[in-house]
Amino acid sequence: DTAVSQTPKYLVTQMGNDKSIKCEQNLGHDTMYWYKQDSKKFLKIMFSYNNKELIINETVPNRFSPKSPDKAHLNLHINSLELGDSAVYFCASSRGTFTDTQYFGPGTRLTVL
Amino acid sequence: AQSVTQPDIHITVSEGASLELRCNYSYGATPYLFWYVQSPGQGLQLLLKYFSGDTLVQGIKGFEAEFKRSQSSFNLRKPSVHWSDAAEYFCAVGAAHNNDMRFGAGTRLTVKP
Repeated sequence: DTAVSQTPKYLVTQMGNDKSIKCEQNLGHDTMYWYKQDSKKFLKIMFSYNNKELIINETVPNRFSPKSPDKAHLNLHINSLELGDSAVYFCASSRGTFTDTQYFGPGTRLTVL
Repeated sequence: AQSVTQPDIHITVSEGASLELRCNYSYGATPYLFWYVQSPGQGLQLLLKYFSGDTLVQGIKGFEAEFKRSQSSFNLRKPSVHWSDAAEYFCAVGAAHNNDMRFGAGTRLTVKP
């Protein structure tokens, strides 16, 4: 059973479109995260979210928004896609705060043309 | 804000040789330190973490890391590298006050037969 899953694995789209990436965890964790990994492998946290608090990295454009229908899901919505949004996006989860072990999904490679 | 530097972009070692990957951090208080490994096309997996206590930390897959406050370092070591250790390795530092994690740029490890 996959602990943290993401769909789709690959996403190719045009500039200006709106897209979503889904994330689900079956670990019973309380906190979920979204990370962006650019072409140079640099990894940056975008959001962390539990049922009490959403923490947003201040550098993330407001075109990006996380949506959590329930504790097991944290989807990433991106509006008005730009070329610079091309990257691999990872979802992760942990039992509590980030000091607990984070379990990562396999990633979604987003390409904006 | 905290930051992490991994001075080596790419390291090549022979199978069976010892390994040390360098990590230097910058943070005013006691940091939370992590090492993650990313195999090609995969998400990240936690190798080990340090919060407090014994400065020599044991992790999975035979890895260990040593926290040296005086040098602001948290280097990862393995006495004998296996071909399956070829991957990208990321050092990360976390700050409890803002639930934020910062990753280094990564070190790519190649293992020669």
